[in-house]
Amino acid sequence: EPEVTQTPSHQVTQMGQEVILRCVPISNHLYFYWYRQILGQKVEFLVSFYNNEISEKSEIFDDQFSVERPDGSNFTLKIRSTKLEDSAMYFCATAIAGIDTQYFGPGTRLTVL
Amino acid sequence: AQSVAQPEDQVNVAEGNPLTVKCTYSVSGNPYLFWYVQYPNRGLQFLLKYITGDNLVKGSYGFEAEFNKSQTSFHLKKPSALVSDSALYFCAVRRGYSTLTFGKGTMLLVSP
Repeated sequence: EPEVTQTPSHQVTQMGQEVILRCVPISNHLYFYWYRQILGQKVEFLVSFYNNEISEKSEIFDDQFSVERPDGSNFTLKIRSTKLEDSAMYFCATAIAGIDTQYFGPGTRLTVL
Repeated sequence: AQSVAQPEDQVNVAEGNPLTVKCTYSVSGNPYLFWYVQYPNRGLQFLLKYITGDNLVKGSYGFEAEFNKSQTSFHLKKPSALVSDSALYFCAVRRGYSTLTFGKGTMLLVSP
């Protein structure tokens, strides 16, 4: 069964550094999403992406965040200058269509020191 | 705005007994409702969804959920719990093409 994959599984970085989290969607999926889960809290929506454009973003997704699909396969989330409060599990999700079920990757645990 | 409430932080049940994990929602218009399960150090796995039609939805691993429009609920159920069902369960709601809004999760512990 096809799966969403994410790399790395763990990322430790210093405050102020840039990080890039990567996601490989299921091959025929066209809609892409990033969510995050701060330890002990609920899963929160960050951004949705379709046709090489951001479709929707939450208030969490400020100017420090960006997304792109540079090579037609990987879908990336970049955090330009990490803060302590960015420490969380980041999940990528993909769907065939905007109305369809979203399938989640295993997540990247980001720790900002 | 849409929201989901999972009133129980934890549900304890003995193996072989039926289980229920509660979820209520708030959304304008017709809701799309989902249950996901998260095992330790794993991502969210899709269990089942309600879009339209029959109020009783059957999903993976013997789970089912009942949509109740008047009570705005979508409780997850299983007739006979397994120890391997122990995990964190998330209810989520979406209106049309909007994004998923998750509840805070309910930890299900099934004892042998």
